[in-house]
Amino acid sequence: DTGVSQDPRHKITKRGQNVTFRCDPISEHNRLYWYRQTLGQGPEFLTYFQNEAQLEKSRLLSDRFSAERPKGSFSTLEIQRTEQGDSAMYLCASSNGEVRNEQFFGPGTRLTVL
Amino acid sequence: LAKTTQPISMDSYEGQEVNITCSHNNIATNDYITWYQQFPSQGPRFIIQGYKTKVTNEVASLFIPADRKSSTLSLPRVSLSDTAVYYCLVGDIRGANNLFFGTGTRLTVIP
Repeated sequence: DTGVSQDPRHKITKRGQNVTFRCDPISEHNRLYWYRQTLGQGPEFLTYFQNEAQLEKSRLLSDRFSAERPKGSFSTLEIQRTEQGDSAMYLCASSNGEVRNEQFFGPGTRLTVL
Repeated sequence: LAKTTQPISMDSYEGQEVNITCSHNNIATNDYITWYQQFPSQGPRFIIQGYKTKVTNEVASLFIPADRKSSTLSLPRVSLSDTAVYYCLVGDIRGANNLFFGTGTRLTVIP
């Protein structure tokens, strides 16, 4: 399978714990995006990387959230001191930046904070 | 990014053609119209994109009138597997580093 993969698919944690999610984009894609989706809503943009550079961050990305893409390939999203409001589906997408800028999404990581 | 308005939900019987209309009154000259589909517990998937008139691919057609203030996604002969949420997005794709999805239209196909 050469699509976007995310790990883990599900994560249950207690409030106050730190969690880290991983995204492996399509190999030739230089752009990588993180989104968050809550029940009944569309995905909301969190942050964007071009290669290893984090070029854009949403105001939704509080200082408890940090994302990295150290070698311009896979990316990690860490949430520190999780809160119940962080419970959501975290989606990763990648693109090659071509004309229509189609983003290819992974299956997501569903986070539940108890 | 231009704001979009689309119906919250729609129902259709199998085999029928479904048309989902999206309003985007403030669309800018450089904006394209893109539709994504999302099944439960999956990430969204690109369906179709257009700038004006009509675009057709193996999955759907996209109709855009001359004033570009609305667009219609047409799904021919839907099946149960087309039950999903459909998002209309409008933006300048050349510089877009993020997509604004809105709440989408939940399509339910009934046997």
